[in-house]
Amino acid sequence: GDSVTQMEGPVTLSEEAFLTINCTYTATGYPSLFWYVQYPGEGLQLLLKATKADDKGSNKGFEATYRKETTSFHLEKGSVQVSDSAVYFCALHDAGKSTFGDGTTLTVKP
Amino acid sequence: DTAVSQTPKYLVTQMGNDKSIKCEQNLGHDTMYWYKQDSKKFLKIMFSYNNKELIINETVPNRFSPKSPDKAHLNLHINSLELGDSAVYFCASSPRQKSGPRTGELFFGEGSRLTVL
Repeated sequence: GDSVTQMEGPVTLSEEAFLTINCTYTATGYPSLFWYVQYPGEGLQLLLKATKADDKGSNKGFEATYRKETTSFHLEKGSVQVSDSAVYFCALHDAGKSTFGDGTTLTVKP
Repeated sequence: DTAVSQTPKYLVTQMGNDKSIKCEQNLGHDTMYWYKQDSKKFLKIMFSYNNKELIINETVPNRFSPKSPDKAHLNLHINSLELGDSAVYFCASSPRQKSGPRTGELFFGEGSRLTVL
């Protein structure tokens, strides 16, 4: 079946540091890929998405590129802020079903 | 105004009790889901309904029974609660593209934290 593997956390960074959270997937079909963010005490919300190979999703300074050859969708941000502290989930959608990674907790310190 | 709303937000109960969580979405989506998030933040799909019909039923104990009275509502009833049922339960919905398959994007509620003592 489909699966998503993301970088284990927790990740702790200083403000303005560069962020990368790795995500790789396996899928039988041709999935759409997503990053969701969960702030403390809230539900998940879509951060960005990409629906085909070489698409780049971007939002709020975060970016991820759909790489079919490496089956990856790594999340990056050039300069993180304290307000980016949250849990980040990589996910794929294929054949009517969504599969989530285990989540990566990011803490950004001032 | 809330797109996907769940009630109650917090639920504390004793083992063996029966409880329900309600979910409503005002986005006009035709598919709704229940997810369970454990204490390690792992997210697992439980059920999916499309236009009131069950389409995904993962390996969930039959103590859990979803009900969808219409496509805007999906409720979750849990019988004989156990300690291991303690978790945050998220309702979500997803739209269909104007012509074609589902977009895959999920819209989540704020969650219902269930604590079983």
